[in-house]
Amino acid sequence: DAGVIQSPRHEVTEMGQEVTLRCKPISGHDYLFWYRQTMMRGLELLIYFNNNVPIDDSGMPEDRFSAKMPNASFSTLKIQPSEPRDSAVYFCASSFGGEETQYFGPGTRLLVL
Amino acid sequence: AQKITQTQPGMFVQEKEAVTLDCTYDTSDPSYGLFWYKQPSSGEMIFLIYQGSYDQQNATEGRYSLNFQKARKSANLVISASQLGDSAMYFCAMREDEYTGTASKLTFGTGTRLQVTL
Repeated sequence: DAGVIQSPRHEVTEMGQEVTLRCKPISGHDYLFWYRQTMMRGLELLIYFNNNVPIDDSGMPEDRFSAKMPNASFSTLKIQPSEPRDSAVYFCASSFGGEETQYFGPGTRLLVL
Repeated sequence: AQKITQTQPGMFVQEKEAVTLDCTYDTSDPSYGLFWYKQPSSGEMIFLIYQGSYDQQNATEGRYSLNFQKARKSANLVISASQLGDSAMYFCAMREDEYTGTASKLTFGTGTRLQVTL
C-alpha cells in the first residue's frame, strides 16, 4: 500500500516567493495533519483536517500560511510570502479516525534564502 | 510544564544489547494515547508502537516494547537486540483525548538520538 506522499521532497526558494507544498494522504484516511519540524521548536502541529474540513488551525504561525484540502486525496500548504524563518521540514500525516495512529509522509525540506 | 519530556538527548548501545529510551508525560486527561516514532537520518517519521491509557497490558511490536507505568506517568521504549539500523532519533508523543478539545493533536518530545555501535 502506498503511504503518505509529499511533494516536492526538497524546495529552495528566495525570500518573498510563494511556496506550495503538496500532500496525498493514505487512501481511506479521513484525517490529515500538517506538521513543521525545526531545531528550535521541534515538531509542531500546524493544522489538521477531518473529512476535508479544517478543524484546528491554531498552530498556523501567521496569515502568510494557508492550507486547503479540496478533496479526500489532496491537500496543500501554501506560504506567501516566504521568509527565511520558514525554513524547516514540513510533514504531512494521515490517520483513519481521530484517535488512531498518524502515519507520516517523507517530509518536504524547505530552505528559504 | 512540558507535556512530554525526554531527558536523554543521546544514547549509545552495543549491537545485540537492549536499550531503554525514557519518556515521561504530564496530563490530567483521563483518556490519552502514547506513541513512539523513529526518525532515521533520511528524515522520515516511522511509527513504532502505541499505548492507550486504558490498556491493561504493555504494548509490544516485534523488538519494541513500551514499559507503561501509569502512576509514574512514564512510557519508556525498550528496544531488544539492537541492530545498526536502529540508529536514529526517537520521539515520544502524546495524544490527549478530552481536555484539548481537539482529539487528534499529537504533542512531541524533543527526541533521543540513539547510536548503535559494533
